[in-house]
Amino acid sequence: AQTVTQSQPEMSVQEAETVTLSCTYDTSESDYYLFWYKQPPSRQMILVIRQEAYKQQNATENRFSVNFQKAAKSFSLKISDSQLGDAAMYFCAYRSPPGKGNDMRFGAGTRLTVKP
Amino acid sequence: DAMVIQNPRYQVTQFGKPVTLSCSQTLNHNVMYWYQQKSSQAPKLLFHYYDKDFNNEADTPDNFQSRRPNTSFCFLDIRSPGLGDAAMYLCATSRPDGDNSPLHFGNGTRLTVT
Repeated sequence: AQTVTQSQPEMSVQEAETVTLSCTYDTSESDYYLFWYKQPPSRQMILVIRQEAYKQQNATENRFSVNFQKAAKSFSLKISDSQLGDAAMYFCAYRSPPGKGNDMRFGAGTRLTVKP
Repeated sequence: DAMVIQNPRYQVTQFGKPVTLSCSQTLNHNVMYWYQQKSSQAPKLLFHYYDKDFNNEADTPDNFQSRRPNTSFCFLDIRSPGLGDAAMYLCATSRPDGDNSPLHFGNGTRLTVT
């Protein structure tokens, strides 16, 4: 089964600064989907950004961008101009490719603290 | 608004007493998932449905069962809850694979076992 590894249990960043959260994954597939989800304390899990493995261009959503390195099986999340509202658990997730199931698997998460 | 709704938000049950958690969706998504999330851990996939096709994870205990009577509803039944089953249970939906459809999550049900 595919595994997702987030090696940083906790990270902190100063407000308005930039932070990068790491994620690596293990798969034998060439086509798949990758996601970053945000889970604020006691709140719903919400999508931050997504990336298709067949796309070379890194996804960007406003202040959030990814560095997708397919050969290295790395998918890091960069948060620019960090805001207090960015404080949350961040989960990296891998979704199986078309025809290989619909399961989505998550990493252990990184708790991000934003300091004012 | 289209959404995923989980009831109840908090559930307390006694050791060994069967409990059912419910999930409904107005998104008309084909795929529905149940995840177990313990404190400060990743959500762990228990099983998922693609329409009525049930997919059980190999390491999901037999104590956990699921039902999906129609597209909109999905239930998680815990037949004999143990103390180790105390967790947040997350329901999620998505469109089928073939696109990069994300999962849409409900607010979760926090289960306490006394």
